[in-house]
Amino acid sequence: EAGVTQSPTHLIKTRGQQATLRCSPISGHTSVYWYQQALGLGLQFLLWYDEGEERNRGNFPPRFSGRQFPNYSSELNVNALELEDSALYLCASSLQVNTGELFFGEGSRLTVL
Amino acid sequence: KNEVEQSPQNLTAQEGEFITINCSYSVGISALHWLQQHPGGGIVSLFMLSSGKKKHGRLIATINIQEKHSSLHITASHPRDSAVYICAVRATGTASKLTFGTGTRLQVTL
Repeated sequence: EAGVTQSPTHLIKTRGQQATLRCSPISGHTSVYWYQQALGLGLQFLLWYDEGEERNRGNFPPRFSGRQFPNYSSELNVNALELEDSALYLCASSLQVNTGELFFGEGSRLTVL
Repeated sequence: KNEVEQSPQNLTAQEGEFITINCSYSVGISALHWLQQHPGGGIVSLFMLSSGKKKHGRLIATINIQEKHSSLHITASHPRDSAVYICAVRATGTASKLTFGTGTRLQVTL
């Protein structure tokens, strides 16, 4: 069974551009979570999608947004990129909300120049 | 003060040693996760705990809800255990938002 897959693995953008990151959860998982790991900082919760709806978001500005598609895959969009958006973006999925074990993807490394 | 504190920040051990990583948190939780992050960033979920103790191979995780403390133990450590170990808690009433510790970097040498 395929695990959580993320694309692209690496992405280089310049300030002001937009970045789109993609995540496919494990088959049957309806919850998708996005996390940011900036250099020198710990993981921070970004967004949670379940059954196609945004259920919760972390302390990030509105230019961080996303969506979840009917097949439960998800996109994370970052608009008006800033240098400090350079980070590893991790996606995780779970079968059960709040009680389910998390399964992580390998991450997408975004570099903003 | 961070809601989740881990100690030590860095740990070097020789192959075969017994290792303990500690995690203390300051909020009521519904679950605590132990995660392993390898160089390159990939993360593996090791354990999810809400009480007691879990064991998987050479890894043991314990949690004391009253003391708001969890430990991750590695028995007979091996160089392939070298990674960053991260504790994360799901606070009660936070609808799946995880708060992460800053991680413990473990290096196991031959």
